[in-house]
Amino acid sequence: ETGVTQSPTHLIKTRGQQVTLRCSSQSGHNTVSWYQQALGQGPQFIFQYYREEENGRGNFPPRFSGLQFPNYSSELNVNALELDDSALYLCASSPGRYNEQFFGPGTRLTVL
Amino acid sequence: EDQVTQSPEALRLQEGESSSLNCSYTVSGLRGLFWYRQDPGKGPEFLFTLYSAGEEKEKERLKATLTKKESFLHITAPKPEDSATYLCAVQAFIRGAQKLVFGQGTRLTINP
Repeated sequence: ETGVTQSPTHLIKTRGQQVTLRCSSQSGHNTVSWYQQALGQGPQFIFQYYREEENGRGNFPPRFSGLQFPNYSSELNVNALELDDSALYLCASSPGRYNEQFFGPGTRLTVL
Repeated sequence: EDQVTQSPEALRLQEGESSSLNCSYTVSGLRGLFWYRQDPGKGPEFLFTLYSAGEEKEKERLKATLTKKESFLHITAPKPEDSATYLCAVQAFIRGAQKLVFGQGTRLTINP
């Protein structure tokens, strides 16, 4: 059974640019959640997708957006990057909206 | 507002020296409390889910317990490979989506 995978592993962007991060959910999982983790902090909830629709959002501005595809993989898009967007971005999948969440390895984003 | 506080922030133990990590929480109607282990630069690894006060779960040298206001992660006779950051999270709901609200973590170091 393949776990949650994320790409790319690392990414360096400059302020004002746009970035797309990708996540493949674990087999059999239809729900994907995205989190931002700053250094030394716990993950912060960005949003959740369930069956291709956004199903809830944390305190992040609209320049953070996402998609979920029919195979339940997902993308996180961030526009107009700011220095504070530098963080580890984590994707988690679950077999339903209310089940345990299993995390991928993350994408380390650095904004210069 | 849902909140999770973990203590201590960092803990150094000698191999074989047992101890406990604390997670205190305030949440409007606890549905689940989760423990994760996170190694540097990697995604959190799921350990336990606890649903009701009095519940206990065990895995190898780790045991998690839950009361109405806090959870403990007991580590018995730890080994150097148990060194990691341990994250506690509560399950909260925002407009139908399940999100995890994380504490800042306890960084555990086991010296040989």
